[in-house]
Amino acid sequence: QSALTQPPSASGSPGQSVTISCTGTSSDVGDYNYVSWYQQHPGKAPKLVIYEVNKRPSGVPDRFSGSKSGNTASLTVSGLQAEDENDYYCSSYAGTTVLFGGGTKLTVL
Amino acid sequence: QVQLVESGGGVVQPGGSLRLSCAASGFTFSSYVMHWVRQAPGKGLEWVALISYDGSNQYYEDSLKGRFTVSRDNSKNTLYLQMNSLRPEDTAVYYCARVLRSHFDSWGQGTLVTVSS
Repeated sequence: QSALTQPPSASGSPGQSVTISCTGTSSDVGDYNYVSWYQQHPGKAPKLVIYEVNKRPSGVPDRFSGSKSGNTASLTVSGLQAEDENDYYCSSYAGTTVLFGGGTKLTVL
Repeated sequence: QVQLVESGGGVVQPGGSLRLSCAASGFTFSSYVMHWVRQAPGKGLEWVALISYDGSNQYYEDSLKGRFTVSRDNSKNTLYLQMNSLRPEDTAVYYCARVLRSHFDSWGQGTLVTVSS
C-alpha cells in the first residue's frame, strides 16, 4: 500500500489557523475512523496529538483539532504559537497494517 | 509511568544482521499489541512490523517480509526485532511503540541503525 499524501510544508503567522491535509483511499482513511496525528520535534520521538480522527489525548491543547471527509483527513492548529513549529504526520491504522503520511513541516512565520 | 527503551542499534555492514530490543515498563506489557516504526535520516515515519499480545501473530511491511522478524518475551517485558540481510536503505532510527486501540500512545526514544561498509 502507498503512503498517505500530505503537503510537504504549511505555514501561518502567530494566532492564525493552519490546516494540514492527509489523503488516502477508500481502503484506509476512507474506510476506518482510525486516523491519528503525531507531532515530532527534530531528533525526538513522535507525540500523539489527535487519535480516531478527532479525539485529543489529555494534555494536548484544544487548539489542535481533527476531522475527516471521505478519503481525506485534516489536522487544524488554531491560534498558532511558536512552539507548534514542528513536523506533523498522519497515520491510518487498519489492524494488520499501518500507513503514515510523508509528513508536513509546519512553520510559524 | 510508561517507558519504552530501545537498544541494540549500531553500525553494521551490508548483508549483516542486528537484533534490536525494546524494554517495557510501567504497564502490563502482555496486554498490548506492539509495533516497530523506523525513520530514515531526514525522512518520514515508516511502519515496520507489529506483533500480537501473545506473540502468536506478526505482520510486516511488505518489502521487509523475509528479512525482519518481530518477537516478544512477555516474561521479560521485552520486544525484539531481528534484522537480517541488512541494506544501506535500512539505515534509520528504529522506534518501538505501544498501540492503544488504533493509535500509538507511547514511543521509545529510538535506536539508530547504520548500514554501511
